[in-house]
Amino acid sequence: GAVVSQHPSRVICKSGTSVKIECRSLDFQATTMFWYRQFPKQSLMLMATSNEGSKATYEQGVEKDKFLINHASLTLSTLTVTSAHPEDSSFYICSARDLSRGSPYEQYFGPGTRLTVT
Amino acid sequence: RKEVEQDPGPFNVPEGATVAFNCTYSNSASQSFFWYRQDCRKEPKLLMSVYSSGNEDGRFTAQLNRASQYISLLIRDSKLSDSATYLCVVNKPSGGATNKLIFGTGTLLAVQP
Repeated sequence: GAVVSQHPSRVICKSGTSVKIECRSLDFQATTMFWYRQFPKQSLMLMATSNEGSKATYEQGVEKDKFLINHASLTLSTLTVTSAHPEDSSFYICSARDLSRGSPYEQYFGPGTRLTVT
Repeated sequence: RKEVEQDPGPFNVPEGATVAFNCTYSNSASQSFFWYRQDCRKEPKLLMSVYSSGNEDGRFTAQLNRASQYISLLIRDSKLSDSATYLCVVNKPSGGATNKLIFGTGTLLAVQP
């Protein structure tokens, strides 16, 4: 149980294009999902908290107009990297909380999306 | 000061060895603590939660010292399959219903045959 999927797992795009990443909770409903970014040899950094039916909350330094988040249903959140540039190349990971089990702080992670912008 | 600090390693140990990782956190209001394991180019996976009284899960023992804001993970009888990066994770109280997690940079463990 508590499975989170992400799609695509890997994407290569040209500079200036937009990329959409999907995060789905497969066997539970997630009112809150989280989007992280991880650069090589660095820790996961929280980018934003996605709330179903309301606006996402962005961390300091993360541009909300560049990283568009939509959480339209209890099982799906999307992250769109708009006008991607090479410095946006990173490993993007989503997570979700399943309030029906475990600690309220425990998060289940998707397998990640490796974005390469050329 | 980083919110969660870990020794990055690497820790190179032979199979069967006992190895310990340490972690410190800066927010005294944090209430939940975890160790996650991350394999190369994969997502983090929960290894274990850390409780005030300390807890054990097979070969893994986690300890918490709230006074010193210090967390530890002990791995006994290391296996080759234990090779991974171990992430110390602490919740960040932020008010409201949403609780954020702060990740350490991780400690790399390499178990040698």
